Amino acid sequence: RKEVEQDPGPFNVPEGATVAFNCTYSNSASQSFFWYRQDCRKEPKLLMSVYSSGNEDGRFTAQLNRASQYISLLIRDSKLSDSATYLCVVGLHGSSNTGKLIFGQGTTLQVKP
Amino acid sequence: DTEVTQTPKHLVMGMTNKKSLKCEQHMGHRAMYWYKQKAKKPPELMFVYSYEKLSINESVPSRFSPECPNSSLLNLHLHALQPEDSALYLCASSQVLGREQYFGPGTRLTVT
Repeated sequence: RKEVEQDPGPFNVPEGATVAFNCTYSNSASQSFFWYRQDCRKEPKLLMSVYSSGNEDGRFTAQLNRASQYISLLIRDSKLSDSATYLCVVGLHGSSNTGKLIFGQGTTLQVKP
Repeated sequence: DTEVTQTPKHLVMGMTNKKSLKCEQHMGHRAMYWYKQKAKKPPELMFVYSYEKLSINESVPSRFSPECPNSSLLNLHLHALQPEDSALYLCASSQVLGREQYFGPGTRLTVT
C-alpha cells in the first residue's frame, strides 16, 4: 500500500466547474500536509499548506481530517490555467524522519474551454 | 521572494564523466534537499541537509555525492553514472526541517 494515495485521474472538467481531489495517507508520523501543483516538465510549486481547521486561498480550499487520515482540495470556478498535476504531500516528523516529504502519485486535471 | 536557482538547466554526460549540479537560495533557509524525478512519477527524496550537515541519505548510490559548502549553496557531484540515472534533479529548500519546501526549476540530466 502506498503511503500517500491519490486518484491519478485524469479529471477532465469544463471551465467554471468545481472539482475535488482526495488523498489518504497511512504513516502515523505524518505531521504536516501540503498540496503542490506541477506543470508538465516544470518543478512542483507549493499551492497551499493544509491545516486541521481547513484553509482557503481564493478559489482553492483544503481540508484535513486527521482521524480519517484524509486530505482534500477543492477548486471552484476552474480556469484553463488550473490544468496541471496536483500532488498531495505529507511531511514526516520524528527522529530520522523530520524533513521527509512523501508525495502522492499526483492527480491530473485538464480544464477544457 | 521564494526563489531557488539551479544550474545547469540541462546536462548531457557520458558514463565516465564527472560533473556537478549546483543549487542556490537566498531566503535564509537552513534546510536544503535533493530530489530525483523520473517522467510521470513524483519526486523521490535523495538527500537532506539541515544547518549545513547531512541529515538524511535515502540509501543513494555513492556515484551521487552531495556537498553543502555554506547555508546558501548545495551541490550534487556526479561520477560514473548509469543511463537509468537520467532524470530531472530538483533542489528544494525550507526555512527549517519540516516546513514548506520550495523547489528550484531542476536540472534535466541525460546519461549516455
